[in-house]
Amino acid sequence: SAVISQKPSRDICQRGTSLTIQCQVDSQVTMMFWYRQQPGQSLTLIATANQGSEATYESGFVIDKFPISRPNLTFSTLTVSNLSPEDSSIYLCSAEPRDRNTGELFFGEGSRLTVL
Amino acid sequence: AQKITQTQPGMFVQEKEAVTLDCTYDTSDPSYGLFWYKQPSSGEMIFLIYQGSYDQQNATEGRYSLNFQKARKSANLVISASQLGDSAMYFCAMRGGADGLTFGKGTHLIIQP
Repeated sequence: SAVISQKPSRDICQRGTSLTIQCQVDSQVTMMFWYRQQPGQSLTLIATANQGSEATYESGFVIDKFPISRPNLTFSTLTVSNLSPEDSSIYLCSAEPRDRNTGELFFGEGSRLTVL
Repeated sequence: AQKITQTQPGMFVQEKEAVTLDCTYDTSDPSYGLFWYKQPSSGEMIFLIYQGSYDQQNATEGRYSLNFQKARKSANLVISASQLGDSAMYFCAMRGGADGLTFGKGTHLIIQP
């Protein structure tokens, strides 16, 4: 099974600043996904990070607010820009192993963001 | 569009009893996958079990089994012989094709000694 590491695990930021979250997978993966979990809520898909092309964003999420990079098959970053208190959430990275037969989609441990 | 419905916001179960967490889904995709995740208070998402829409048999993983009823569009999670460590949020999710996961609102399960 793939191991996914996220950094930072938590951070406190001032409004108007930006935070970049890193996601590192210990093996090459086909698809990487970014999710947001607002306090007390379920997970919502932000975007799919594609290697070699621009990310694909879900309705309600835009590239200017959530720019994503995917420079290779093991790494991705999510930036949350122009922070406001409403951005306080857990952000989670997920990856699909190249062997899709298992059906498993793995998650990182999450990055807990608090915006003051 | 895909939709996952979990109708049990919270459940209390006695230790060692079996518990069933309900999940119904809606999708227009002919091929899809159904997932269950456990999220303890630490916040990590722990994969429990997966069921493909064309799988003939219900998925099982240790104490976890998925009761898949395709005609009813339900994918209930059954935990046998519950343990105190099973106390957590449980999310049902689905995926069509290469898309990301669509999650339900979750069920907060509390196992009582």
